Parts: sequence; C-alpha cells; structure tokens
Amino acid sequence: AQTVTQSQPEMSVQEAETVTLSCTYDTSESDYYLFWYKQPPSRQMILVIRQEAYKQQNATENRFSVNFQKAAKSFSLKISDSQLGDAAMYFCAYRRADNSGGGADGLTFGKGTHLIIQP
Amino acid sequence: GAVVSQHPSWVICKSGTSVKIECRSLDFQATTMFWYRQFPKQSLMLMATSNEGSKATYEQGVEKDKFLINHASLTLSTLTVTSAHPEDSSFYICSARALNYEQYFGPGTRLTVT
Repeated sequence: AQTVTQSQPEMSVQEAETVTLSCTYDTSESDYYLFWYKQPPSRQMILVIRQEAYKQQNATENRFSVNFQKAAKSFSLKISDSQLGDAAMYFCAYRRADNSGGGADGLTFGKGTHLIIQP
Repeated sequence: GAVVSQHPSWVICKSGTSVKIECRSLDFQATTMFWYRQFPKQSLMLMATSNEGSKATYEQGVEKDKFLINHASLTLSTLTVTSAHPEDSSFYICSARALNYEQYFGPGTRLTVT
C-alpha cells in the first residue's frame, strides 16, 4: 500500500520570504500522480499543484513550484514570496495513474503541515 | 466549472439516529465519487469509493453497514451514517471524479453527534 509522509507538522515563514514544505511517499507503482492541496480554515480543499510521475519537469503554478525526485520518492513544495493568504494546512497527496487498472482510486494524504505566515 | 456541493454543511443529531449527507456534482457528471473523513487537526482518510449504479467499495476498517453509500445518479452520491454515536462526530468530505480524471472536492459536512 502507498504511504505519504509529511515530517513537518508546522512551518513558519516571514511574509515575502520563501518556504519549502517536505513530502516523501512510498509506492511500488511506476506511474502515479502527486498533489499538494491547501486547506484554509474554511476546510475547503484547494488544489495547489499537480505532478505526473512520468514527467521529469517539475510542475510550476505562479509562486508555487515543486521539486520532484522520483528515485528518492520526494515531492517538496516551494512557496515563493509568501503572502498572508497562503496561511493554511497543506496536504501532500498521492494517487495511482488512471491506467493502473482496478478502477478509480481515491487520494492518499499525508498528515499535513500547518503553514504560518508572519507579517 | 467543476463545482461540487455538499448538504448539509453542518448537522447535529442525537445518538442512535441516522443522518444523510448529500454530495452533488453541479456542472459535470461523475461516475465515481469518494468519501473522506477528517478528524480535528488530522488528515483526510478515504472511507469509500462510490460508483454510479453499483455497490460502493469500502476501505479496510470502515463498517459498510454503518456508513451506507448510494450513488443513484451521475451527479449525486449520498452517505448515511446509521445509528450514529458521538465517536462518529467528524468532518466528512466528498470528491467527484470528472471525465478528465481530476477529482473535485466538496466543501465538507460537519457532523456532531450528541
């Protein structure tokens, strides 16, 4: 079974600075997807960024980028120019690729990292 | 686009009663929906996979007779918590899988059992 580990329960960063959230995972699959979700106090899950395992290029979405190391099974999220609105819980998540057979898969989440933005 | 709603957003029920939570995909069809549970300050745990027109698939440790799932149409899945107990109090979140395989999350339902 796949597992997702986030070893940082809480991180704090000054506004406008850069912060990196760590995530490691374990799987025997060769094709899969990795995600970072943001959960603000409203508890609505918001997709931040998505990475397909077969793509070597790291995904980027504006101020958010990932460092995907497939061999090391590492998937960290870098937030540049941190803003007050970035404060939230961040969850790393895994899903098997759609062509893995056995039907659709739900997401496996890490325990989350609480990101605090210091003004 | 790709909006998922849940109803109710918050429900309080007495111990021993049943409560139904609805998950709707508003602007797309979803042959598969997922139900997650999130305890306070914890992560989301997948409870079950709901497939339109067929029986749900439950994760290990989830009681299928307690958490009844019905996916009667391509836009609606329901989760019924039967004979609720205080330990069932939690935040329940659904997601719907669109044709592009992406999963879109609902806003969640907070269940409090007294």
